[in-house]
Amino acid sequence: QSVLTQPPSVSGAPGQRVTISCTGSSSNIGAGYDVHWYQQLPGTAPKVLIYSNNNRPSGVPDRFSGSKSGTSASLAITGLQAEDEADYYCQSYDSSLRGSGVFGTGTKVTVL
Amino acid sequence: QVQLVESGGGLVKPGGSLRLSCAASGFTFSDYYMNWIRQAPGKGLEWISYISTSGRIIYYADSVKGRFTISRDNAKNSLYLQMNSLRAEDTAVYYCARSYYGSGSYLVYWGQGTLATVSS
Repeated sequence: QSVLTQPPSVSGAPGQRVTISCTGSSSNIGAGYDVHWYQQLPGTAPKVLIYSNNNRPSGVPDRFSGSKSGTSASLAITGLQAEDEADYYCQSYDSSLRGSGVFGTGTKVTVL
Repeated sequence: QVQLVESGGGLVKPGGSLRLSCAASGFTFSDYYMNWIRQAPGKGLEWISYISTSGRIIYYADSVKGRFTISRDNAKNSLYLQMNSLRAEDTAVYYCARSYYGSGSYLVYWGQGTLATVSS
């Protein structure tokens, strides 16, 4: 039922660059609402990785970066490391959901 | 430091009820919107409910509307989720999370989650 679509999985070798797309519509990303990204390590709660499209909270490595264009957004991980293996979710606001946020479908990143 | 600690999960039969609690500390609870997010086993995140600072503005996802009730007690720094008429598909880890500011904003802090299992 999510209105934000992500690829189910992406993979890369250590040191490589991977990107995760998040495709929305005119009622969420395309309407100009911010996109945020969360990382969920196995067995733990999600934590915010990128907020407001391209901002990193303190403590998040600069290997992680976000961008937004039109009705889509992307998360890039450069210099992929073993500890980056996790699930990643995008999130935005959707005007059709009475003020609620909405999550993407989630992407599993595997480090080969 | 900010802490959110959920409790109240457990095993319940279909049609039964559970009341989840979330104890907040380390910030002025009454200043922030609060949220319940759930994650079914092996599945993605679902935003099921939020409540405004005063409790006057409330949202429920269609999947839980009419069965779940969110509430807060600002004097006790606590958030609640009363879950009635539970179904097998409500089996999930339930997280409480604090918004950065208003509704739909990003979730700055999350609890560790509490597992609710609905099964006969």
